[in-house]
Amino acid sequence: DTEVTQTPKHLVMGMTNKKSLKCEQHMGHRAMYWYKQKAKKPPELMFVYSYEKLSINESVPSRFSPECPNSSLLNLHLHALQPEDSALYLCASSRNFAPQGGGNTIYFGEGSWLTVV
Amino acid sequence: AQSVTQLDSHVSVSEGTPVLLRCNYSSSYSPSLFWYVQHPNKGLQLLLKYTSAATLVKGINGFEAEFKKSETSFHLTKPSAHMSDAAEYFCVVSDPVSSGSARQLTFGSGTQLTVLP
Repeated sequence: DTEVTQTPKHLVMGMTNKKSLKCEQHMGHRAMYWYKQKAKKPPELMFVYSYEKLSINESVPSRFSPECPNSSLLNLHLHALQPEDSALYLCASSRNFAPQGGGNTIYFGEGSWLTVV
Repeated sequence: AQSVTQLDSHVSVSEGTPVLLRCNYSSSYSPSLFWYVQHPNKGLQLLLKYTSAATLVKGINGFEAEFKKSETSFHLTKPSAHMSDAAEYFCVVSDPVSSGSARQLTFGSGTQLTVLP
């Protein structure tokens, strides 16, 4: 089972709202990732968690706040977003936080489509 | 530093004809290379991966890719296109020396494959 589950699939929020995106995997992976993808562009890395600790923050604005409550769950809390933050947000996981190769492939979820109005 | 170039932003083929999506990479060391596919409004699905084993890699849905170190290429091919192959394809490189650096994966800009009936 190589499944990463993301909810909700679609989210529309106002610029003053607070919402969260959720991600879950049950593959025993210890690294989890958030990517942002704009239309017709490749995904851009936002955050990496390794063993439930934040390992990488790619200079993401503080209006995006990640959280890793346990090894299976990853959240992305959203507050005071801007219309330009509208995008597909992809969660991913891998066995551990190391360069890909062999069995350490990164698996992606279906994504959450976010629209900020 | 690693980089990846997808030589065609759009490729159009007729159903039943061969598919060739071109990818060139740059990496300081022996890289791991991947092809991901993204169907409309979906997440990324791993098609195949090269991790320094056999240079000809077979993936899902009849796709394969050949790692050519002398040409620094990792082109994706399929003998006969199907309508369901219409999607965005991303070539991705991971450098084993990049452990702990800001980016685990370097994505190409993507190739949109159109399959004509």
